Amino acid sequence: DGGITQSPKYLFRKEGQNVTLSCEQNLNHDAMYWYRQDPGQGLRLIYYSQIVNDFQKGDIAEGYSVSREKKESFPLTVTSAQKNPTAFYLCASSIWGANEKLFFGSGTQLSVL
Amino acid sequence: EDKVVQSPLSLVVHEGDTVTLNCSYEVTNFRSLLWYKQEKKAPTFLFMLTSSGIEKKSGRLSSILDKKELFSILNITATQTGDSAVYLCAVNPNTGNQFYFGTGTSLTVIP
Repeated sequence: DGGITQSPKYLFRKEGQNVTLSCEQNLNHDAMYWYRQDPGQGLRLIYYSQIVNDFQKGDIAEGYSVSREKKESFPLTVTSAQKNPTAFYLCASSIWGANEKLFFGSGTQLSVL
Repeated sequence: EDKVVQSPLSLVVHEGDTVTLNCSYEVTNFRSLLWYKQEKKAPTFLFMLTSSGIEKKSGRLSSILDKKELFSILNITATQTGDSAVYLCAVNPNTGNQFYFGTGTSLTVIP
């Protein structure tokens, strides 16, 4: 079945630690996205990528980094510079073009110990 | 600044009621508006609207867009407990492929 797989489902971060969230898709989509979801604030865009080896900052990129070495994979690293990382992180993908929709993974809940 | 506002923030109804969820937007060069349902984790796609006045319908759910007044509504008739979820509205401007989301409406349907 085609889809988007995020792992792990739950992740705990210690102070000063970098953690990486995995996102893999087998939909052959060009574009991939990372969103952060906090209670009462909806989805906010962290980073997005249109093609391999290219990515753009979203509205809240500070304290995060990404890579896009393969079309299928778009991992997100939450660095120690992100002071308030506790949130639900959603990865999505789409065909790059007009009038396309987002397909979402099941998310990763990140908490700080 | 592009903005998407949903109302109400939360809603509690009884089974069988009809509900209307609202989404207003301010976006430069509008391309499309999308509705998603988020029950637990992954939002699932409901509708994509691009033209004013054309109703999209799927079972008890329907949605319509007004590009002049810059809003969309999502209607759910004869609500069921399985409709309990957060409903997200997103707008795709005609500049790149970014999607701007509202805060969502949390719907709870009581038996």
